[in-house]
Amino acid sequence: AQSVTQPDIHITVSEGASLELRCNYSYGATPYLFWYVQSPGQGLQLLLKYFSGDTLVQGIKGFEAEFKRSQSSFNLRKPSVHWSDAAEYFCAVVANNNDMRFGAGTRLTVKP
Amino acid sequence: SAVISQKPSRDICQRGTSLTIQCQVDSQVTMMFWYRQQPGQSLTLIATANQGSEATYESGFVIDKFPISRPNLTFSTLTVSNMSPEDSSIYLCSVTGQQETQYFGPGTRLLVL
Repeated sequence: AQSVTQPDIHITVSEGASLELRCNYSYGATPYLFWYVQSPGQGLQLLLKYFSGDTLVQGIKGFEAEFKRSQSSFNLRKPSVHWSDAAEYFCAVVANNNDMRFGAGTRLTVKP
Repeated sequence: SAVISQKPSRDICQRGTSLTIQCQVDSQVTMMFWYRQQPGQSLTLIATANQGSEATYESGFVIDKFPISRPNLTFSTLTVSNMSPEDSSIYLCSVTGQQETQYFGPGTRLLVL
């Protein structure tokens, strides 16, 4: 079955530490891939997206993600986390007919 | 990217009543989407709203419970009918931009007592 998996429900990192949020998908072909962030009480903001070409994509707020076809993964990374990065992060895919499917989300807590 | 607004931003309603949520976009778009985000959960697609045709509902959602209007290319409404506490959620609208990217409104936070 087609699915988007974010294995980590909650991650805690110290401010200044590096971050990696995992995302795996299960689709027949390579879908379009997205990462969104939702700060408390806010809507969803697009961080970055992948369609084709360079498998390492840069986004806003210092985030990047790498598409690995062999692993069906699209992990989000940031080299140094800031306290303002504390939020919920959603991986999403579009495979067919503009049908966007979301992972369950990963809640990021940043320790001082 | 499109600028999307939603009204109301939040509301507290009594069970058995209905609430209509408005979604306004600053540009003409073909496809608009309505999502539900239950507390602590991810987003679930309710329906796709195309101008000039009836909305297409996902499994588990029906028109009687969530009627949708799409009178033009910049506006849509979602009504949550005969509400129960289980309908307490954030309701978000979105539109598709270039390359299948979806842009989201700020959401409407609904609490049903």
